[in-house]
Amino acid sequence: DAKTTQPTSMDCAEGRAANLPCNHSTISGNEYVYWYRQIHSQGPQYIIHGLKNNETNEMASLIITEDRKSSTLILPHATLRDTAVYYCIVRAISSGSARQLTFGSGTQLTVLP
Amino acid sequence: SAVISQKPSRDICQRGTSLTIQCQVDSQVTMMFWYRQQPGQSLTLIATANQGSEATYESGFVIDKFPISRPNLTFSTLTVSNMSPEDSSIYLCSVGSLMNTEAFFGQGTRLTVV
Repeated sequence: DAKTTQPTSMDCAEGRAANLPCNHSTISGNEYVYWYRQIHSQGPQYIIHGLKNNETNEMASLIITEDRKSSTLILPHATLRDTAVYYCIVRAISSGSARQLTFGSGTQLTVLP
Repeated sequence: SAVISQKPSRDICQRGTSLTIQCQVDSQVTMMFWYRQQPGQSLTLIATANQGSEATYESGFVIDKFPISRPNLTFSTLTVSNMSPEDSSIYLCSVGSLMNTEAFFGQGTRLTVV
């Protein structure tokens, strides 16, 4: 799986959009970008994933650059409960492939009141 | 999504003893994994729990230290054997299936070895 680079920490004001960047310059054509988050003392929670098109769900939006070398996770209206470590993970998906994940250091997002 | 129940949620154990952690899923899943998260660190994969056969361990993890069982498609156990303070970590169960592209995690077991 390709390596990812994320800022160590970020702050965001409550109610504002939180934009979390991720660099994955060595991504391959068959690798997806996944985002998970881990709220303190809990297991990681799946947020969203995408291949090359922008994706949106009830939790967040994922913007992937045209060259796919970087992406941004957007939490449109951050709340205090969004304070967590956010992990950007790149991995390939193929028939029969396992679902283990390689976690980097992630970004500690702190939402400030 | 799958609902994963891990037991115990936390424990404090004496060094030299062993602890078995259980992971129960509410539906049949193809893959089950065990991760370790040391204090202040990210998650590291320990092994893949294979149904009806020996688990597949990652580099740095061995069966004698972390024996794993998976008797069926909804249940697995991880034992942390002959514990030392260095084994103090959060241990997490994760599951995935061929029907979904994402993985799901239990709430973890916070282990403290004294």
